[in-house]
Amino acid sequence: DAGITQSPRYKITETGRQVTLMCHQTWSHSYMFWYRQDLGHGLRLIYYSAAADITDKGEVPDGYVVSRSKTENFPLTLESATRSQTSVYFCASTPDSAYNEQFFGPGTRLTVL
Amino acid sequence: AQSVTQPDIHITVSEGASLELRCNYSYGATPYLFWYVQSPGQGLQLLLKYFSGDTLVQGIKGFEAEFKRSQSSFNLRKPSVHWSDAAEYFCAVGWGMGGSQGNLIFGKGTKLSVKP
Repeated sequence: DAGITQSPRYKITETGRQVTLMCHQTWSHSYMFWYRQDLGHGLRLIYYSAAADITDKGEVPDGYVVSRSKTENFPLTLESATRSQTSVYFCASTPDSAYNEQFFGPGTRLTVL
Repeated sequence: AQSVTQPDIHITVSEGASLELRCNYSYGATPYLFWYVQSPGQGLQLLLKYFSGDTLVQGIKGFEAEFKRSQSSFNLRKPSVHWSDAAEYFCAVGWGMGGSQGNLIFGKGTKLSVKP
């Protein structure tokens, strides 16, 4: 049971480049989420998805794009990376019920130079 | 807007001592409450959760938490801390309202250090 995986685990890129972070889950969970974790801010929700082809903005969506063509995948794209997007990114998923725990991936550490 | 507050950014306790990490949330409908732990370089792991019923919940690794509606709090406790408990702890609250059903709001975390 692979669970939820993220790739790459580490990424260094330059300002202005497009970057895509991948998230894959094997549980067929309906809900998936992207968070960023920054010192002093905890986890902040970027985007979430309630099902395939249904996505919505979270607290800090600017500069990010998501898609969800398949239930198991939820990629996050930085269309033109900025230094302020240097962060650790976590993907999470949860089953249909709104009140189940969220299961987190191992994270992707992104550095934008 | 709903919010979650963890007042202590960093706590240091001696190994074997008791621990209490505080979590308060803003007023709202009955919340769904979670504590997660994050070890360095790792993702978040669920310690325990409260949905309804007994307000004292038991979790993994010997942790427990108590929901106090009158104080809007959900504090995490452990009677005797082990060195391996050193990590960052996040309180999270869900209200499951409408289109944001399934979303959680996280506190900013409390980093726990354990002295030998």
